[in-house]
Amino acid sequence: NAGVTQTPKFQVLKTGQSMTLQCAQDMNHEYMSWYRQDPGMGLRLIHYSVGAGITDQGEVPNGYNVSRSTTEDFPLRLLSAAPSQTSVYFCASSYDVATTHYGYTFGSGTRLTVV
Amino acid sequence: AQTVTQSQPEMSVQEAETVTLSCTYDTSESDYYLFWYKQPPSRQMILVIRQEAYKQQNATENRFSVNFQKAAKSFSLKISDSQLGDAAMYFCAYRTSGTYKYIFGTGTRLKVLA
Repeated sequence: NAGVTQTPKFQVLKTGQSMTLQCAQDMNHEYMSWYRQDPGMGLRLIHYSVGAGITDQGEVPNGYNVSRSTTEDFPLRLLSAAPSQTSVYFCASSYDVATTHYGYTFGSGTRLTVV
Repeated sequence: AQTVTQSQPEMSVQEAETVTLSCTYDTSESDYYLFWYKQPPSRQMILVIRQEAYKQQNATENRFSVNFQKAAKSFSLKISDSQLGDAAMYFCAYRTSGTYKYIFGTGTRLKVLA
């Protein structure tokens, strides 16, 4: 089925470890983004991309890196995991035409625990 | 800066009844989008309904409809004929047209009672 695929679904890391959360979409969406969801805080934007080779920072980018080498893939890298990065991470993509936005398609999320 | 406020952390509704979830927002922009997203226990967020600010007509998707009051900056979601499958967290969200950043509310947990 077409959609946004995130892997892994669950991950436990030790403080200081690095890892990459994978996100892929097969809908040819130009716009992709990463959010983190923490209790009582809604979703906060980490990084986003408006096309291959173009990325920008969101609201909470520190400690995370992204790249966009293809339209389909938008991986999120944790450089040196910290307990404050314990969260649920969502990848989302959208089909935007000019300035018209039709809403996000979300992945199923990754629950990350840093111990 | 834009803000989105959902003042009801939790709501309950009897199956087959109607419930309204509240959302208010603050912005100085005139062209923007508003959304309701549903997050069931499976965790994956799903778009429920979308409203463009320049359209005065309220959006409707089957049993879901909104009451969009632009002057009051209010965007409530009405769910008619509630079903057990409607039980979820519901997030209100805002996006200024031509930008790429969403503002999400903190969510309302909806319980549907059989």
